[in-house]
Amino acid sequence: QKEVEQNSGPLSVPEGAIASLNCTYSDRGSQSFFWYRQYSGKSPELIMFIYSNGDKEDGRFTAQLNKASQYVSLLIRDSQPSDSATYLCAVNNRDSNYQLIWGAGTKLIIKP
Amino acid sequence: DARVTQTPRHKVTEMGQEVTMRCQPILGHNTVFWYRQTMMQGLELLAYFRNRAPLDDSGMPKDRFSAEMPDATLATLKIQPSEPRDSAVYFCASGLVRLSSGNTIYFGEGSWLTVV
Repeated sequence: QKEVEQNSGPLSVPEGAIASLNCTYSDRGSQSFFWYRQYSGKSPELIMFIYSNGDKEDGRFTAQLNKASQYVSLLIRDSQPSDSATYLCAVNNRDSNYQLIWGAGTKLIIKP
Repeated sequence: DARVTQTPRHKVTEMGQEVTMRCQPILGHNTVFWYRQTMMQGLELLAYFRNRAPLDDSGMPKDRFSAEMPDATLATLKIQPSEPRDSAVYFCASGLVRLSSGNTIYFGEGSWLTVV
């Protein structure tokens, strides 16, 4: 059973601090890794994707991938109240027809 | 601004009635997914299609649910008969599979279903 694990939270972070969200996955053959943000009552929206080990930065967001340890993380710098949402990690694998395996999500709360 | 379009946005129906949800994927995308989301279960994959062919519908209750893709611009999810436990939000998502990078998928706004 291929799994993606996330701490459900809520993770509470003061405004302006760095929020760190983590995700581990069980399938070593996983190739592509995605972070989605979902506001309450809305659909998930893509924030970032990463394929290679290391860091990938996009504005205030940095995705980090460590395939040896099978984890992927998302850092949000200078956290804003508007970042409060549930963050979903998803993983896919060419060998499983690129089907996405989803984590249950981490609820992030940024406190002003 | 390309986006996935779903109808209806909201639906309230009585138990036993048929419900049909429709999805127009982003033009050029070759993969379409149907997901169901509830507070308790998170995102559940119901079915997905690649180039209109069904690849996996193992997450879908076969006795009452059916999913089809009659053409490249339309995917449908049908529930017949509907039951109160089907109350959830149903998301359609589409993506373009690339051998180098897999799927990056984009979600529609969802169809919020309430069965009373």
